[in-house]
Amino acid sequence: AQRVTQPEKLLSVFKGAPVELKCNYSYSGSPELFWYVQYSRQRLQLLLRHISRESIKGFTADLNKGETSFHLKKPFAQEEDSAMYYCALNPRTDSWGKLQFGAGTQVVVTP
Amino acid sequence: DAGVTQSPTHLIKTRGQQVTLRCSPKSGHDTVSWYQQALGQGPQFIFQYYEEEERQRGNFPDRFSGHQFPNYSSELNVNALLLGDSALYLCASSPWAGANQPQHFGDGTRLSIL
Repeated sequence: AQRVTQPEKLLSVFKGAPVELKCNYSYSGSPELFWYVQYSRQRLQLLLRHISRESIKGFTADLNKGETSFHLKKPFAQEEDSAMYYCALNPRTDSWGKLQFGAGTQVVVTP
Repeated sequence: DAGVTQSPTHLIKTRGQQVTLRCSPKSGHDTVSWYQQALGQGPQFIFQYYEEEERQRGNFPDRFSGHQFPNYSSELNVNALLLGDSALYLCASSPWAGANQPQHFGDGTRLSIL
């Protein structure tokens, strides 16, 4: 069965410091991975997806199939990065669209 | 485009009652998925609708049922409500054509069971 694990419930960092949110997954096939973000009083929105291989708001994430990880990184955290972050897996099978989410990591950036 | 819209915003019910939640997908989207998000947890997939049929289902009992209308909007129905059904219910939409298109989420309906 597919599973997404985000080991940190809360991550507190200082402005300007690097931030890394961990995401590990278990899945027998080749999944598609996403990071979703929810800012205060806003809806859940897509931050980035691994197939795009792009940087959004300074964030990057690399899919490591050997370690089954999809960690989210930003070299210099900003106060506006404070939010709830969810890693999600989309199976590339007949079950596509059945997103499996991690429990989420709350990021707090302090000045 | 307002994106995905859900109604109502909040709902309070008692155990044993039935509830209906509604969702209108983002313009151009024809596929609707429903998720349950309990406090402190990530969203859990309930089911997905396309062409007015349930296409995928998560690990939820038959008390959870849904419907999709010809205009692509959707309803989530929950019968015989339990205290454990208290959660935020999220609707997400995406285009079916071209698998792996990211899902767009609504603000959710907060359901409280007393």
